[in-house]
Amino acid sequence: QSALTQSASVSGSPGQSITISCTGTNSDVGGYNYVSWYQQYPGKAPKLMIYEVTNRPSGVSNRFSGSKSGNTASLTISGLQAEDEADYYCSSYTSASTPYVFGSGTKVTVL
Amino acid sequence: EVQVVESGGGLVQPGGSLRLSCTSFEFTFSDFWMDWVRQDPGMGLEWVANINQDGSVKNFADSARGRFAISRDNAKNSVYLQMNSLRPEDTAVYYCARGGKLHAFDVWGQGTLVTVSS
Repeated sequence: QSALTQSASVSGSPGQSITISCTGTNSDVGGYNYVSWYQQYPGKAPKLMIYEVTNRPSGVSNRFSGSKSGNTASLTISGLQAEDEADYYCSSYTSASTPYVFGSGTKVTVL
Repeated sequence: EVQVVESGGGLVQPGGSLRLSCTSFEFTFSDFWMDWVRQDPGMGLEWVANINQDGSVKNFADSARGRFAISRDNAKNSVYLQMNSLRPEDTAVYYCARGGKLHAFDVWGQGTLVTVSS
């Protein structure tokens, strides 16, 4: 099972909006509404930011939003802040022999 | 505070074995699937294995199937990952995570480092 494809890095200035994409196949991202997104700071555990494509867990800022079109899911961060600088990973449920697959990760830099 | 705490990592020689433990706090452990996810140092995340609420269903990544075993003890609020025939490419931080019907991992431990090297 190959990792979902994410761009290696995305950057933006404070206050701007950025979008991170996550591309899979009909067997994972395109086949199920079970895409989730995780934020990870260096040396720390991942934190769930979005589940079921669009839903935010309690306590996650509404500046984070998720969407999906076909085999590509997206995470948008609006009103970019310095604290948003981190690595972001997508994940999807999959019909393959391994039930979950993660993306390759995107490093977000706040300029 | 809802949390999970891993233990059991360390240095092991290739071909050796290691058992990781994960203990949960402040939630009804027996209501949830539990998962293990690993991360190569400086690299991405890889899902490893999971187990359902009563331990009757277990799933493994292709890289772990046949070498790793997962189990749980609901009386001890704990899940375990028995890793056998370890290879250098198994070197990673291993995270325990709470899974479930949302197919997302909403509670993560701090991770435990496994290093496979001679």
